[in-house]
Amino acid sequence: GENVEQHPSTLSVQEGDSAVIKCTYSDSASNYFPWYKQELGKRPQLIIDIRSNVGEKKDQRIAVTLNKTAKHFSLHITETQPEDSAVYFCAADTLINTGTASKLTFGTGTRLQVTL
Amino acid sequence: DTAVSQTPKYLVTQMGNDKSIKCEQNLGHDTMYWYKQDSKKFLKIMFSYNNKELIINETVPNRFSPKSPDKAHLNLHINSLELGDSAVYFCASSPRPRQGLLSPLHFGNGTRLTVT
Repeated sequence: GENVEQHPSTLSVQEGDSAVIKCTYSDSASNYFPWYKQELGKRPQLIIDIRSNVGEKKDQRIAVTLNKTAKHFSLHITETQPEDSAVYFCAADTLINTGTASKLTFGTGTRLQVTL
Repeated sequence: DTAVSQTPKYLVTQMGNDKSIKCEQNLGHDTMYWYKQDSKKFLKIMFSYNNKELIINETVPNRFSPKSPDKAHLNLHINSLELGDSAVYFCASSPRPRQGLLSPLHFGNGTRLTVT
């Protein structure tokens, strides 16, 4: 089955600096890679996603890159703000059941702290 | 008008008891899931249902039994609760894959289960 590794487990940056979170996956059949942000006591919420036919995607201060050959994908947050402080999860999704369903496997999470 | 709603939000109970968590989604999605988030924040899939049909059943003890009366509802019943069952349980839903295209999960607000 799919295995997703995520690094670092904790990350502290100063406000205005950039933050980078990296993930690797094991199953070459995975073709959808969402990123979720989870604030304390809240549910995980999608912040950006990327599909396997795309190498990079950007949405304002957030960008994701995907290297299918190396099975790496990364989240980049620029100009960080205190409200970016949260736990971030990468995930890899794979079609199963002859394409009628999918299985999403999460990374272990990165706790991002943005300090003033 | 919450898209994925689960009840109760908090559940405190003693070892050996039986409890249920309910989940409902009004997004018209075909697929529903239960995820467990432990104290280290790891998100692990437990079950998924596609239009009332069980698709994923991870290595979860038989004490956990999901039930899907219709595609908008997925409940989780837990028998003989143990200390190790303490966690946050998230319900989620997503559309069925269409022509190989996958979609993000929408999470409920979680149920914090504490077994004493």
